[in-house]
Amino acid sequence: KAGVTQTPRYLIKTRGQQVTLSCSPISGHRSVSWYQQTPGQGLQFLFEYFSETQRNKGNFPGRFSGRQFSNSRSEMNVSTLELGDSALYLCASSLYGPRAQPQHFGDGTRLSIL
Amino acid sequence: TQLLEQSPQFLSIQEGENLTVYCNSSSVFSSLQWYRQEPGEGPVLLVTVVTGGEVKKLKRLTFQFGDARKDSSLHITAAQPGDTGLYLCAGAGSGGGADGLTFGKGTHLIIQP
Repeated sequence: KAGVTQTPRYLIKTRGQQVTLSCSPISGHRSVSWYQQTPGQGLQFLFEYFSETQRNKGNFPGRFSGRQFSNSRSEMNVSTLELGDSALYLCASSLYGPRAQPQHFGDGTRLSIL
Repeated sequence: TQLLEQSPQFLSIQEGENLTVYCNSSSVFSSLQWYRQEPGEGPVLLVTVVTGGEVKKLKRLTFQFGDARKDSSLHITAAQPGDTGLYLCAGAGSGGGADGLTFGKGTHLIIQP
């Protein structure tokens, strides 16, 4: 069974640019959650999508947005990039949601802002 | 805001020793998950505990959920170099509706041969 696939694995951008990250969940999983991981703050929840609807959102500015398609694939967009956005961005999929369901993580996209 | 405090942040021990990692909060969680993450990879789920006082064993790893569902511990017996990694605890809120997980900052564990 294919795992969660995130593309690209690495990205280098400059301040002010925007970026789109992609996540393909495990087949049959309808929930996709996004997290930002940094050495200082650890893993922080960005948002969760279920059946193309954003169900919950973490405490991040509006520059961070996402969407989910009918095939459950999800994209995350960050506009007007700042140096502090450098991080590992992880997505996780599950059948119905991240609470009691096991979440399966991808290997992340490493975003570096110059 | 629900917070999870993990301790210790860093731990380096010799192969064969025992260790315990703690995950504490002032908030109640409906469930708590433990993950292990290795460099360059995403976290991998080890266990989910749901009931207060629950104890789960995974080979040499023992996980316990506190009676009040506010804290958890991970105990490793006879640690091996393959146990090296970042151990993360994550709590799911007790409120209704779907919500994301709250992660602790993790414990970096190094097992030296």
